[in-house]
Amino acid sequence: GNSVTQMEGPVTLSEEAFLTINCTYTATGYPSLFWYVQYPGEGLQLLLKATKADDKGSNKGFEATYRKETTSFHLEKGSVQVSDSAVYFCALSDSQAGTALIFGKGTTLSVSS
Amino acid sequence: NAGVTQTPKFQVLKTGQSMTLQCAQDMNHNSMYWYRQDPGMGLRLIYYSASEGTTDKGEVPNGYNVSRLNKREFSLRLESAAPSQTSVYFCASQLQGINYGYTFGSGTRLTVV
Repeated sequence: GNSVTQMEGPVTLSEEAFLTINCTYTATGYPSLFWYVQYPGEGLQLLLKATKADDKGSNKGFEATYRKETTSFHLEKGSVQVSDSAVYFCALSDSQAGTALIFGKGTTLSVSS
Repeated sequence: NAGVTQTPKFQVLKTGQSMTLQCAQDMNHNSMYWYRQDPGMGLRLIYYSASEGTTDKGEVPNGYNVSRLNKREFSLRLESAAPSQTSVYFCASQLQGINYGYTFGSGTRLTVV
């Protein structure tokens, strides 16, 4: 079946450090891939997405590239800020499995000044 | 510009009590979803409604029922609450299609004692 695996957290960084959160997936079809962010006490917000192989999604300094050969969609940011502290979820949507998103377990990022 | 509205935000129930979680969206989205979020488990799909008039079970439907009242509203009912249903519940909506991300509500934090 379809699944998403994220690196376990928490990830603790100093401000201006480089961020990578790994995400790999298993899918039977040709999924679309997403990163969501959840700030404390809030719902999830779409951060970025990629709908086909080699697409790069980007938003607010975050980037992720859809790599079909390695079935990965790693999230990166060149210089994190304290305000980036949140939980990040990788997710996929597969046409063969219907439209419901399948989420990874989430990775908590904590950035200190 | 309300998006997805969930009520209530917080609720404490006694074991065996029933309640309905309400969700409404004002974006004319076709699909609506209920997820639960538990520590270390990510988000798990309870039920979804691909379009008005249809509902389908997700990964963890036991103990829940849903109603797609109209295009805007999708409610989740717990008939006899159990402590295992203590969780944060999120409603989401989507303009139908795998390339579209979800819009989430801010969640309902439910405690069953």
